[in-house]
This record gives sequence, structure tokens and C-alpha cells, in this order.
Amino acid sequence: SQELEQSPQSLIVQEGKNLTINCTSSKTLYGLYWYKQKYGEGLIFLMMLQKGGEEKSHEKITAKLDEKKQQSSLHITASQPSHAGIYLCGADGNTDKLIFGTGTRLQVFP
Amino acid sequence: ETGVTQTPRHLVMGMTNKKSLKCEQHLGHNAMYWYKQSAKKPLELMFVYNFKEQTENNSVPSRFSPECPNSSHLFLHLHTLQPEDSALYLCASSPGGGKNYGYTFGSGTRLTVV
Repeated sequence: SQELEQSPQSLIVQEGKNLTINCTSSKTLYGLYWYKQKYGEGLIFLMMLQKGGEEKSHEKITAKLDEKKQQSSLHITASQPSHAGIYLCGADGNTDKLIFGTGTRLQVFP
Repeated sequence: ETGVTQTPRHLVMGMTNKKSLKCEQHLGHNAMYWYKQSAKKPLELMFVYNFKEQTENNSVPSRFSPECPNSSHLFLHLHTLQPEDSALYLCASSPGGGKNYGYTFGSGTRLTVV
């Protein structure tokens, strides 16, 4: 079965700094999804990547999928306190099932 | 508000109680899901429903019983739970039909079993 490994597990950065979160899959990814979760709440969809080498941006967040489609990165530029939360990558393996990585907890301090 | 509504938001129940979690979506989606989120563990997929039919039961104990009366509603019936079942239970929906173009999640029900 497919497994997703995220790194780092937690991240504490100062406001204004850039940061990167990585997601590595044990199998080729058909669809890679990034979600953000505020503590104790539901997941908010950020971006979906499907093609090798694809890159998408929304505001200050950029997600990339590598050419081999086994690794994705999420990059936040000039982080703000509003970026704090848990970031989760998910993969669907070309099925209806979405499995998730272990998550990266991000804290941004002023 | 994401379009997927879960009730209640918080639930405390004893091990001998019976309770139900409710999930509702009016996004026109055909697939609905229950996930369990425990501390320091990845989100665990519990059940999948496509067009009201259960297509996945991820080895979930029988004390959790799902019900999907129509494509817009999903329930999770709980009975004789254990303290280790305390977790955040998340419902999600997607267009379904064999392809996933992104799930929409509810805000979750925080369950505490005492």
C-alpha cells in the first residue's frame, strides 16, 4: 500500500522567513493534494498536482511535484502568523481513496 | 463553511452509551468518507461510500457502524466505545465516480470516550 512521509514533523519559524515542507511517496503519485488544518478543525484544500514537474502557486504558497512524481514540496514565502497550522499531503493512487501523510505542524512567531 | 457540515462539533460519551455522528453535504458529490484523526497519527480512512454503497471498510471495529441513506447524508453510529476511540472524526465528500478531484472536509466531531 502507498505511504506518504512528510518532513519535517514540526517547524517553528520567525515571521517573514521562507520555509519548505516535503512529502515523499513510496509509490508513483497519480494525484498529490496539499491541505491545511487548524488545530481541531477540518482540512482546507490548498492545491492539487498531477503532472510531473507541475508547479502551482496561490498567494505566498507554492507547491511542486517532481518529474518522477514521487516527491512534492510546499514552499511558503515570507511566512505570516496566519500560515500557522498543520500541513498535510494526500495521495489518491488513481482511486477514490485519499491517504494522508503524517503532517507538518507549523508555528510562526512574530 | 466548506459545504460539508458535521454535527455535533463535540461529544463526550460513556463506554456504554450509543450515539451517532452526522455529516451532510449539498455539493452534489457522490462519494462520502469517514476519517479518524488521533494524536500523532496520520489520518486514517475508515469508510468510503460511492453512490450510497459502501465500497471500503478499512478493518474498522464493529462498534463503529456507518449508514448512508442518500448521497447527501452520512452517519457514524457509535456503541460500546473504548477510551482509545477518542479522536477527531472527519467527514469528507468528493465528486466520486472513480476519480478524485479533491475532497471537501467538514470541521469534524471531537469525540471523547470516558
